[in-house]
Amino acid sequence: QKEVEQNSGPLSVPEGAIASLNCTYSDRVSQSFFWYRQYSGKSPELIMSIYSNGDKEDGRFTAQLNKASQYVSLLIRDSQPSDSATYLCAVNCPASGGSYIPTFGRGTSLIVHP
Amino acid sequence: DTGVSQDPRHKITKRGQNVTFRCDPISEHNRLYWYRQTLGQGPEFLTYFQNEAQLEKSRLLSDRFSAERPKGSFSTLEIQRTEQGDSAMYLCASSPPDGTYEQYFGPGTRLTVT
Repeated sequence: QKEVEQNSGPLSVPEGAIASLNCTYSDRVSQSFFWYRQYSGKSPELIMSIYSNGDKEDGRFTAQLNKASQYVSLLIRDSQPSDSATYLCAVNCPASGGSYIPTFGRGTSLIVHP
Repeated sequence: DTGVSQDPRHKITKRGQNVTFRCDPISEHNRLYWYRQTLGQGPEFLTYFQNEAQLEKSRLLSDRFSAERPKGSFSTLEIQRTEQGDSAMYLCASSPPDGTYEQYFGPGTRLTVT
């Protein structure tokens, strides 16, 4: 059973602070890592993808990947109340048929308070 | 580009009835995924198509579930003999043929089995 683990939270941060969201995965051979944001009652939307070790920055968002530690994180700088949502970590895990199956964590709830 | 569309948006059915959902992916996206999501959980992978070929299917999925993607365009997900445990949000996502595996989700179909 491939596992993607996230702390369900809620993670509460003040407006303007850095929010740090973490995710670990069980299958060392996993490829392709993603962060999605999901507002209550809505479907997930893609924020970031990362494929190799290191940092990847896009605006206020930075994704970090460490394959040796099987760890991926998302930093949100200058957090805004509109960032309040559930953040889903997704990992493409190898499947028996030779392709990869996207496996999602249960998500971390982020609350940014004014 | 109109995004991924799903129909219907809501479905209420009685236990034992069959239901069918439709997903229209973003045009030129060759990969199409179906997920099920319940409250407080991340999306659970059901099945995946690349063009018209169904490449992976969750082993957790019972034989009551079937999916098709004729001609590699829209897809349908059918649930036979529905049970109350099938009540969930059914999400469809598509992914472009650029090797990124980034997924773009539709609005989902909310199924309630009474």
